[in-house]
Amino acid sequence: AQSVTQPDIHITVSEGASLELRCNYSYGATPYLFWYVQSPGQGLQLLLKYFSGDTLVQGIKGFEAEFKRSQSSFNLRKPSVHWSDAAEYFCAVAAGGADGLTFGKGTHLIIQP
Amino acid sequence: SAVISQKPSRDICQRGTSLTIQCQVDSQVTMMFWYRQQPGQSLTLIATANQGSEATYESGFVIDKFPISRPNLTFSTLTVSNMSPEDSSIYLCSVEASTYNYGYTFGSGTRLTVV
Repeated sequence: AQSVTQPDIHITVSEGASLELRCNYSYGATPYLFWYVQSPGQGLQLLLKYFSGDTLVQGIKGFEAEFKRSQSSFNLRKPSVHWSDAAEYFCAVAAGGADGLTFGKGTHLIIQP
Repeated sequence: SAVISQKPSRDICQRGTSLTIQCQVDSQVTMMFWYRQQPGQSLTLIATANQGSEATYESGFVIDKFPISRPNLTFSTLTVSNMSPEDSSIYLCSVEASTYNYGYTFGSGTRLTVV
């Protein structure tokens, strides 16, 4: 069975600074990888996904993620964060399109003014 | 992407009762999924619902506690039975449609409080 580790429970970043959220997965083959964001009281919004091809994936809101097979990682990055980026970020993995998602525990992002 | 309507958005229920949550999708989808998000926690997959067959439950979840119906390709229900305060969570419906290149879309969730 697959698993996802998000080692950082909380991250605090100053507004305008760069951001990197870490995600490591465990799966025998190449998984389907996702990043979701959940703002307080809101539903889940898909930021980006990776299935195959180019290992650098562009998403919405200026986010990108890089798949590194050798490190079993799929880290999320943003060059300059905005106060509105404060939210909970979840990395998730699926074995295939017919399978449900396995989520990491999430990283709570705090933006300092 | 698919648009999901989930009802009710929230409810407060007495222990020992049951609540049925509805999930309506604006297009036909093959796979529908139900998740639970306990307070301050991540999401956990409860079960996968396919039209025309019984739902497949994940470890730790049983049909007697979380019966699921999937009568057609646009609709599903999840019932939380014989509720206790430990069932207080957000329950979310999700769909995956190959048409949308394996983007899993989520409903806005049902916030359940059991008192």
